[in-house]
Amino acid sequence: EVQLLESGGGLVQPGGSLRLSCAASGFTFSSYAMSWVRQAPGKGLEWVSAISGSGGSTYYADSVKGRFTISRDNSKNTLYLLMNSLRAEDTAVYYCARTFIVGATLDAFDIWGQGTMVTVSS
Amino acid sequence: DIQMTQSPSSLSASVGDRVTITCRASQGISSSLAWYQQKPGKAPKLLLYAASRLESGVPSRFSGSGSGTDYTLTISSLQPEDFATYYCQQYYSTPLTFGGGTKVEIK
Repeated sequence: EVQLLESGGGLVQPGGSLRLSCAASGFTFSSYAMSWVRQAPGKGLEWVSAISGSGGSTYYADSVKGRFTISRDNSKNTLYLLMNSLRAEDTAVYYCARTFIVGATLDAFDIWGQGTMVTVSS
Repeated sequence: DIQMTQSPSSLSASVGDRVTITCRASQGISSSLAWYQQKPGKAPKLLLYAASRLESGVPSRFSGSGSGTDYTLTISSLQPEDFATYYCQQYYSTPLTFGGGTKVEIK
C-alpha cells in the first residue's frame, strides 16, 4: 500500500526549531518529487516547499524561505522539513504529499500523509 | 505569484443537485490545475488533474473543465459523501498556490 506517515510535530516556542519527517512506503520514493503543504487551524491549504526526486532541486514559499529547509534521504525513503526561527503564524497541520507524475517536480499531489500538528506558542 | 480565486466560498445544496465551483487564475496556467476534496480532520484527496482528468477511483459524477485562466469543477448529482470543502491548485509555476476553498454544505 502506498503510504506517507509524518512525525515530529509538537509545541515549540517562538524562535525555536523543529524537524518534521515523512516516511514513505509502497512506492519507489526516489522517483517522485515531494512537497510539504500546511493548513493553519480553520484556514485553507498553503504550499510550503518542494524537492525533486534526486534532492538536487528545492523550492520554497516566500513565507518560509531562509527559515525552512527541505531535504530527503532516498536510502531511508524519508522526507524532512527542518523549521528554524519559528513564528506563531507557522502554527498549522503539516502534510507531506507526493507529486503525481514520476519525474515531474511541479504537478498535482496524489498521495498525502495524515498530517502532523505544529504549534508555535510561548 | 499566481493568485487562485475560488467561488463561491460556500454553498448549500441538496442531495441530487448539480453543483458548480469556479476557480480563476491571475494569469494563464495552461490547464495545470488540480481539484481536491477535503473532509474535516482529513488530508485532501485528489479528484482531478490537468483540469479535466479524473483521478483513478474518483466517481464519474465529478468533472472538470476550463482553459487559460478560468476553470470549473462540477458535481453532476451531489451525494451525501460529497459534503466537504473543495480546493483548486495550480502547478504551472512556483510558488504552487491553492484557491481559498469552497465549503459545500447540506441544505
